[in-house]
Amino acid sequence: AQSVTQPDIHITVSEGASLELRCNYSYGATPYLFWYVQSPGQGLQLLLKYFSGDTLVQGIKGFEAEFKRSQSSFNLRKPSVHWSDAAEYFCAVGKQNDYKLSFGAGTTVTVRA
Amino acid sequence: DSGVTQTPKHLITATGQRVTLRCSPRSGDLSVYWYQQSLDQGLQFLIQYYNGEERAKGNILERFSAQQFPDLHSELNLSSLELGDSALYFCASSVGDRSYNEQFFGPGTRLTVL
Repeated sequence: AQSVTQPDIHITVSEGASLELRCNYSYGATPYLFWYVQSPGQGLQLLLKYFSGDTLVQGIKGFEAEFKRSQSSFNLRKPSVHWSDAAEYFCAVGKQNDYKLSFGAGTTVTVRA
Repeated sequence: DSGVTQTPKHLITATGQRVTLRCSPRSGDLSVYWYQQSLDQGLQFLIQYYNGEERAKGNILERFSAQQFPDLHSELNLSSLELGDSALYFCASSVGDRSYNEQFFGPGTRLTVL
């Protein structure tokens, strides 16, 4: 069975500081990996995705993520956060030859001035 | 705007009642997914339809059912409602049915069971 772990429930970061959100998965093969963001009162929006190839992927809103097979991780980063980045972030994993995604529990990011 | 529409935005009802949530996918998308988001359970996948057929099932209760119609819109029916069914219900859509397809989420329907 596959599972997705986001170890940090809540992160507080100062505006302009860097941000890193952790995501670990358990799955034997290379999964399809996604990061979604949910702003307050909104649905989820895709930030970026990884299927294969270059392990560093760029997404929207200045986010990037790095796939590390040896660590079964797909951590999300942003060099300098803006107040508008305050939201909940979800890592999701899809299995090859499967239909659905498994979502992590989410990490809530608070940005302080 | 993702292009996925959900109605109603809010729904307040009583225990034991039955409600129907509606979802219209993005134009051209054939897959529809339903999710339940609550504080204690997080984001839970309920069910997926592709071009009118059930494709995958998650943690969907027997009291809940869904269908996708020929025009590709979908409805999620929740019956014999309990207090614990209070949650945000999301619909998402994608072009294909596989897990690598990007899912576009609607704004959700907030269900409150009193």
